[in-house]
Amino acid sequence: GQSLEQPSEVTAVEGAIVQINCTYQTSGFYGLSWYQQHDGGAPTFLSYNALDGLEETGRFSSFLSRSDSYGYLLLQELQMKDSASYFCAVRDGGSYKYIFGTGTRLKVLA
Amino acid sequence: SAVISQKPSRDICQRGTSLTIQCQVDSQVTMMFWYRQQPGQSLTLIATANQGSEATYESGFVIDKFPISRPNLTFSTLTVSNMSPEDSSIYLCSVSQGQGKSPLHFGNGTRLTVT
Repeated sequence: GQSLEQPSEVTAVEGAIVQINCTYQTSGFYGLSWYQQHDGGAPTFLSYNALDGLEETGRFSSFLSRSDSYGYLLLQELQMKDSASYFCAVRDGGSYKYIFGTGTRLKVLA
Repeated sequence: SAVISQKPSRDICQRGTSLTIQCQVDSQVTMMFWYRQQPGQSLTLIATANQGSEATYESGFVIDKFPISRPNLTFSTLTVSNMSPEDSSIYLCSVSQGQGKSPLHFGNGTRLTVT
């Protein structure tokens, strides 16, 4: 079967750095993506890693280790607006479909 | 990125009835998917909508319950048939161009309540 595990909840204060981990077991792998979803909103794309290493996009960075079936999303200089749910997702190369992780609810405190 | 219009945004339906959700994209896209999301939960893939042929369903989802159409590269519908309260959920249309780094883009979802 396929599974992507994330911590259910993370809490941090404004200005801090937080890391959200994702471990995956999938039958096919063609990259790890991260999505952000605010309450009542649709998921929006944040980042994508196809190869091992770190990808940086502004305050957000994402890391992938394919040998460890592991990745993380790093959020720096946290802002209140970063309070949301974050999902990792694996793309199945054969079918192009995406399987989503269990999701992490991030609470940013003032 | 693609602009996705999903209708209706919400509905309250009686058990035993059916609801058809529409997804319209402002440009041609390779892949279209339908997801279900319970409040506070993750996204579960229902099926891949294939243009001009039958959809590809994930385990636990069947065509009789969730018939899907995709007549062209910009439009798809998902029908939730013979609804029960367990079908109450958010249904999301998503699209991608399929290759390389192409991410998923989502419609705003349909919040369905079955009474």
